Amino acid sequence: EIVLTQSPATLSLSPGERATLSCRASQSVSSYLAWYQQKPGQAPRLLIYDASNRATGIPARFSGSGSGTDFTLTISSLEPEDFAVYYCQQRSPLFGQGTKLEIK
Amino acid sequence: QVQLVESGGGVVQPGRSLRLSCAASGFTFSSYGMHWVRQAPGKGLEWVAVIWYDGSNKYYADSVKGRFTISRDNSKNTLYLQMNSLRAEDTAVYYCARDLGATPLPFYYFDYWGQGTLVTVSS
Repeated sequence: EIVLTQSPATLSLSPGERATLSCRASQSVSSYLAWYQQKPGQAPRLLIYDASNRATGIPARFSGSGSGTDFTLTISSLEPEDFAVYYCQQRSPLFGQGTKLEIK
Repeated sequence: QVQLVESGGGVVQPGRSLRLSCAASGFTFSSYGMHWVRQAPGKGLEWVAVIWYDGSNKYYADSVKGRFTISRDNSKNTLYLQMNSLRAEDTAVYYCARDLGATPLPFYYFDYWGQGTLVTVSS
């Protein structure tokens, strides 16, 4: 069974800074990986699918990269509304445990 | 616009049953695979079940297999989750979610989600 490990568990940054979130799979998942954003009390929102494809309506400051076992979600310049929990997900389907992006 | 609205959650005793519904609008429901995903309080996301666009195939997480049944009524644009033999560990917000692709085989990515319905299993 594939395991997804996200790091760090918590990331503290300021608006305007660059955020780099990591997701590592215990075995290759090719490029079959998605990223979601979830704010408190809300449903998750699909950001990225197939490792690097932005979902409909997602701002260009969100980008995804990687293949095989190592994946990265990058937010180029943090906006106040970007502070949330981020999950990676592969198509088995299985979710990572999440990274909380908090305001420093 | 795409809308998914869940209902049917509530407090139920262990061992009892509950049926969740998800009313879909704003898209051609019969063209998409549909999923249930749950989230225990303060925890992460767990996929529960998928049903093909035409209801021909259904798959479940091991944690609910044999107890939960996913179904759909394309004439009513509605997705269901019948939950039997409920356990305390089934306590969660249950989300219905649309599969990313309007294709025969689901992508197993989730592009639209409902607001969720809370199921609490407690005596």
